[in-house]
Amino acid sequence: QQQVKQSPQSLIVQKGGISIINCAYENTAFDYFPWYQQFPGKGPALLIAIRPDVSEKKEGRFTISFNKSAKQFSLHIMDSQPGDSATYFCAAITGTASKLTFGTGTRLQVTL
Amino acid sequence: DAGVIQSPRHEVTEMGQEVTLRCKPISGHDYLFWYRQTMMRGLELLIYFNNNVPIDDSGMPEDRFSAKMPNASFSTLKIQPSEPRDSAVYFCASSRYRDIYNEQFFGPGTRLTVL
Repeated sequence: QQQVKQSPQSLIVQKGGISIINCAYENTAFDYFPWYQQFPGKGPALLIAIRPDVSEKKEGRFTISFNKSAKQFSLHIMDSQPGDSATYFCAAITGTASKLTFGTGTRLQVTL
Repeated sequence: DAGVIQSPRHEVTEMGQEVTLRCKPISGHDYLFWYRQTMMRGLELLIYFNNNVPIDDSGMPEDRFSAKMPNASFSTLKIQPSEPRDSAVYFCASSRYRDIYNEQFFGPGTRLTVL
């Protein structure tokens, strides 16, 4: 049972464009929604995260938009750069457990 | 800090052989997680420990998989006997405390190929 659905599976964006990755969750007990970035041959690393009482969080070129009523959240990468090419995972975690539930990942390629 | 250390980085073995993956978490971290990553199933949590005690092993696929954490600085994931469908990248991660806002730090992974 997949509790966090992520789309698209892959994404190609031109340099300078906006990359948008969407996630939807089912479990209303989720309390925290991090995004992880993974480069080839490396482990995932925390990129940005949001709590459900906030509708938006911005860190540099990366923004999370959160819609609690729709149970959806998305990652926006503004002014996408070739160095942003990586796989991005959304995730969710409840306050009563310590384990993350990951989405299936989005492979982003930013072209010149 | 050296980060989470995993060994070996690559392992190629034949079906039926025993495989042992090793992990050294970041010093001072109370939680240790083992994940498996495949193209088909993405990132799956296999098991996690708190203060060296296994808390949730519901993600361990079957009895062929076992994990131990004999002390705060070392954990192993063992597969015996290994099968081709176990081929994947296995990640170890660690974090501090039981605060859900604490970041999980991932190691570089072990790429396992079972022939």
